[in-house]
This record gives sequence, C-alpha cells and structure tokens, in this order.
Amino acid sequence: NAGVTQTPKFRVLKTGQSMTLLCAQDMNHEYMYWYRQDPGMGLRLIHYSVGEGTTAKGEVPDGYNVSRLKKQNFLLGLESAAPSQTSVYFCASRLRGAKNIQYFGAGTRLSVL
Amino acid sequence: AQRVTQPEKLLSVFKGAPVELKCNYSYSGSPELFWYVQYSRQRLQLLLRHISRESIKGFTADLNKGETSFHLKKPFAQEEDSAMYYCALSPPGSSNTGKLIFGQGTTLQVKP
Repeated sequence: NAGVTQTPKFRVLKTGQSMTLLCAQDMNHEYMYWYRQDPGMGLRLIHYSVGEGTTAKGEVPDGYNVSRLKKQNFLLGLESAAPSQTSVYFCASRLRGAKNIQYFGAGTRLSVL
Repeated sequence: AQRVTQPEKLLSVFKGAPVELKCNYSYSGSPELFWYVQYSRQRLQLLLRHISRESIKGFTADLNKGETSFHLKKPFAQEEDSAMYYCALSPPGSSNTGKLIFGQGTTLQVKP
C-alpha cells in the first residue's frame, strides 16, 4: 500500500516548456487535490476533483490544467511554464464520507528558469 | 473571506520549554479545524483535529470560537518536534468537496 505517489520528484523546466505531474493513489479515494507550497504563502489549492471525470478550480488555478480520467490518477499540467510557477507541488487524496483527513504525497519540486 | 492566519513564520524554543503555535481564523460559522505537520524529508501528515479532542505526541489544541483561534500547545518541547506546522480549516458545507484552507505555516525549531 503505497498511499499517494507523485512523479517526478524533481524537475527543471525552461520558460515556455510544458510538463505533466502525475499523482497516483491506491486507497480508492474519491477526492483528490493539487496544492502548491510557497514560502510565506502556505499551501494553496490549485485544482481538485471529487470523482473520476470531474475537476474544479481551486484558489490559484491560472496556468494549470488537470484531468481525472481514472479514479486513482490526478494529473496536473503546465502548458507553458513560467518562473512564477517555481514551487513545490503536493497532491493529496481523501475518502468521501469518512473522517475529513487528507493524505499527502511526498511532493514535486519544480524550478522554471 | 475565509482565512487562516499563523502569525509566526518561525518559533524557536529550547528543549523542555513550553510551545504554543498560534492559529487564528476568520469564518463566522462552525468550521472544522486541523493541525498538519511536515517533518524534515517527510510528507505532510495530520497531527490532530479539533473534533477528536485528542492529544497527539503531547500536543493539544483547543478551539476558541469567541477568539476564533485554534492554538497548538505542548508543555515540554522535544527536539523531534522540530518541523513545519500548518493550521487548516474546512468550512461548513464543504463535506462534498473536502477542501481545506491552510495557513502560512510556522516552522518550529527546538534547540538542545
């Protein structure tokens, strides 16, 4: 039981490049979330999903897209990376109807030059 | 707007000293409050929830609705408590999304 797994762990991009971050969970959780963590800003919600095939915007969605084609996977895409997207990205998941507890991945450290 | 404020970026104490990490929130209803912790090289994890009224690793947190605060306390800090602590809020009515609003985080440094 791996929990929440994020790939890659590290990535360096040039401005304008695109990439996809993958989040996979093996706990059969319905809800999944993408956050970014920046110094002095805490964790801010980018996008979230309450089930397969559904996504919604969070607090800071601009510049990102997401997809939830399979229940266990939640993808975060950057179509044209900008230096302002340099951050640590965390994925989390939660079981619907259970205790309101989110389980986090180990994070992806992204640098955009 | 719903907001969670942790006024201290860094809290540095000596081992054995009492610790209080402050958390204030702005919400008029009855939100659910949490403390999450991130130890060095580990993933973010739940420390405690106000609903459970539990003590985890010697930490407790009391929800004060009058002062809209949820401060985290421990009477005697240990070096292994050094970590980043986040206060988080789940607004009422968000059970169908499970969204959390996080504070800015406080780094607790416990010196030997």
